Amino acid sequence: AAGVIQSPRHLIKEKRETATLKCYPIPRHDTVYWYQQGPGQDPQFLISFYEKMQSDKGSIPDRFSAQQFSDYHSELNMSSLELGDSALYFCASSLLLNTEAFFGQGTRLTVV
Amino acid sequence: LAKTTQPISMDSYEGQEVNITCSHNNIATNDYITWYQQFPSQGPRFIIQGYKTKVTNEVASLFIPADRKSSTLSLPRVSLSDTAVYYCLVGDRTGSSNTGKLIFGQGTTLQVKP
Repeated sequence: AAGVIQSPRHLIKEKRETATLKCYPIPRHDTVYWYQQGPGQDPQFLISFYEKMQSDKGSIPDRFSAQQFSDYHSELNMSSLELGDSALYFCASSLLLNTEAFFGQGTRLTVV
Repeated sequence: LAKTTQPISMDSYEGQEVNITCSHNNIATNDYITWYQQFPSQGPRFIIQGYKTKVTNEVASLFIPADRKSSTLSLPRVSLSDTAVYYCLVGDRTGSSNTGKLIFGQGTTLQVKP
């Protein structure tokens, strides 16, 4: 069965650079969530989209932005990267809000 | 959103039943209770979801008392591979609030020993 696909799996960027993370939800899923998880920490909710519209916002820095496109894939854009942005970034999708969410394998971002 | 409280860690032995309780005193009428499992460097994996009483699937059971202020995830006969972090989440899945915000609190690290 198709799962949530995230790309790239690993990304190394320098401080002040820009990064774009992509998420392809499970077909027919209309809700996408983004999370950031630092080492030894719990997943922190960043932002979610329902039917291509922003649904909710969590602790997402102003340097970050995201959108969901007409084909339901989503992109998380991160600018002016800081060392503290180094983390695992997970995307999840679900059919309808807050139902069973399926998570991707994550993108490990390292800022040097 | 309802805040959840779980034990930080639990130990168990292979073959035992493990019960992890989560408190959610401020749960709202439309909130459902969902449990996820997470292995290191992997995305969380859905285990079970319920609204009230008891829900059972092939991997776990979820017990929710009438007041819904707590819930207990029951894992029968755990094995070493069940060593992971377990998260309890509450959220509105009826769509009435039109918000999509699955909030992970501090999970429970379950260590299963031989």
